[in-house]
Amino acid sequence: KAGVTQTPRYLIKTRGQQVTLSCSPISGHRSVSWYQQTPGQGLQFLFEYFSETQRNKGNFPGRFSGRQFSNSRSEMNVSTLELGDSALYLCASSLDRGDTDTQYFGPGTRLTVL
Amino acid sequence: AQSVTQLDSHVSVSEGTPVLLRCNYSSSYSPSLFWYVQHPNKGLQLLLKYTSAATLVKGINGFEAEFKKSETSFHLTKPSAHMSDAAEYFCVVSLSSASKIIFGSGTRLSIRP
Repeated sequence: KAGVTQTPRYLIKTRGQQVTLSCSPISGHRSVSWYQQTPGQGLQFLFEYFSETQRNKGNFPGRFSGRQFSNSRSEMNVSTLELGDSALYLCASSLDRGDTDTQYFGPGTRLTVL
Repeated sequence: AQSVTQLDSHVSVSEGTPVLLRCNYSSSYSPSLFWYVQHPNKGLQLLLKYTSAATLVKGINGFEAEFKKSETSFHLTKPSAHMSDAAEYFCVVSLSSASKIIFGSGTRLSIRP
């Protein structure tokens, strides 16, 4: 079975721009969660989608949004980028609910905001 | 409040010696507990998972962890370190009743030749 894939792997943007990151879960997995990883804040939960619905949301501003499609693929969007948004964005998928099932992580998208 | 604490930000051991990475949690509910490993510029890989079955959990690459409810601990161990074990390790608590996942701050494991 193919693992979780994330595209693109690396991205460079400037302040004020917006960005869309994509995540394809493991086949059959219906839950997709997104995390932001930075050296200062560590791993922080952004949101979880299950069956195209946002189930849980972390403590991030409204500039961070996401969605999930009927095939369970998910996208994450960040608008009006700030320097502090530079981070590794990780996507994880699980069979059912992300909060109880084992999560399998993708390699991440490294976003650099200049 | 629920929390997870990794007691050491950095652990350094010699190759061939035992590894101990410490994790304590605080939870009002019965948690699921995980250990993940992250190699440089990579995503997180699941090492092992505890979900209220056996208290001693065996994972991949020779790692294991013991759930001790009385001590609220879930320490990760390996009898003999290998150079390829050098990475960042994360202890994770999952609280189904609260629908929350909490990551520890991570422990960087260095292996001396």
